[in-house]
Amino acid sequence: SYVLTQPPSVSVAPGKTARIPCGGDNIGRKSVHWYQQRPGQAPMLIIFYNSDRPSGIPERFSGSNSENTATLTINRVEAGDEADYYCLVWDRTGGQLFGGGTKLTVL
Amino acid sequence: QVQLVQSGAEVKKSGASVKVSCKASGYTFTGYHIHWVRQAPGQGLEWMGWVSPNSGGRDYAQKFQGRVTMTRDTSISTSYMELNRLTSDDTAVYYCARAGGAAYHFDYWGQGTLVTVSS
Repeated sequence: SYVLTQPPSVSVAPGKTARIPCGGDNIGRKSVHWYQQRPGQAPMLIIFYNSDRPSGIPERFSGSNSENTATLTINRVEAGDEADYYCLVWDRTGGQLFGGGTKLTVL
Repeated sequence: QVQLVQSGAEVKKSGASVKVSCKASGYTFTGYHIHWVRQAPGQGLEWMGWVSPNSGGRDYAQKFQGRVTMTRDTSISTSYMELNRLTSDDTAVYYCARAGGAAYHFDYWGQGTLVTVSS
């Protein structure tokens, strides 16, 4: 079955750039979506179809996807960006699959 | 505006069943699939399956097949997720989420329903 791999944690200083990878076999051939989940809240869509942003999501958030890694990039990180981030893909055999999630810590 | 409002928290005994509802508003209910996702305490997100409000069609993650049933009532724009033979491993927050189809991203989520299973 298809597996998505995310690092458990990423740390970044305020104002810097955070990059959160999501690894999978030939993931570049799939559409990847990203969710932000703050403590006690439901997940929120922040990137869909690899790099599109829903309305209301700041341009600081961007996504890319190539070969075996999709990446969520957060520019000019703010304290309010501290949250868990999940990638999501659809797999023909496994259905909808989430990565294990990455906790972003703003130092 | 699009809203998905879920039923309240539940406490169940091991072996029992739970049924969680998800009432949709602000859009055409039959135009989007409803997916169910759960999150155990301190853990990640786990997809459970979907139901099509239009056709009633459904598909479940292999892990839950035989134990979960997802239904809908179009007259009240509500979807349901029933999970049987509960164990302590089913203690989690259960979310419903809207998607354009089986393979689409989830664009709106319910607030979540905490289900606690005790022995």
